[in-house]
Amino acid sequence: EDQVTQSPEALRLQEGESSSLNCSYTVSGLRGLFWYRQDPGKGPEFLFTLYSAGEEKEKERLKATLTKKESFLHITAPKPEDSATYLCAVQAGRGNNNDMRFGAGTRLTVKP
Amino acid sequence: NAGVTQTPKFQVLKTGQSMTLQCAQDMNHNSMYWYRQDPGMGLRLIYYSASEGTTDKGEVPNGYNVSRLNKREFSLRLESAAPSQTSVYFCASRPHTGDYGYTFGSGTRLTVV
Repeated sequence: EDQVTQSPEALRLQEGESSSLNCSYTVSGLRGLFWYRQDPGKGPEFLFTLYSAGEEKEKERLKATLTKKESFLHITAPKPEDSATYLCAVQAGRGNNNDMRFGAGTRLTVKP
Repeated sequence: NAGVTQTPKFQVLKTGQSMTLQCAQDMNHNSMYWYRQDPGMGLRLIYYSASEGTTDKGEVPNGYNVSRLNKREFSLRLESAAPSQTSVYFCASRPHTGDYGYTFGSGTRLTVV
């Protein structure tokens, strides 16, 4: 069965303190790994899709990387507005491409 | 603004009552989804519709039914609500099945007492 585990569950950073969030996955034939940002009381917002090991994507202070077993979301010099829950999801390459499994998320708090 | 619209935003039901959650998207997306989100468990797929006229079960379909009314609208029905269905429900869409990320609605917070 496909599994996605995110760590840590919660992370508190000072403004400017860089760090990384981890997403470990087990899937039969990875078709894509997705990162989302979710603010309190809102739906998740799509950030990136990664397709193969070694791939990297960047958006402002965020950079996502992918290996065969895990993905990292690196946050460089975070600001308070980066505070949110970050969700990781994997999609298997089998079947009809609707097997997207989400992790429980990492709740990031950035203090000024 | 273009996107996914869900109604209602909040709802309280008594055990055994029924209700329908509405979802509409105006992005001409083919695929639509219903997820529930519970603390510590992540998003879990209830039902999805890969294209107009088709629906399929996801990971947790028991106690729910869906209708893909047309390309824009995808509704979720609880026939006899149970406390275990207390959750936040999200509708999502994407152009078609495959590699695209979802566009999510803002959610419906449902409490069953």
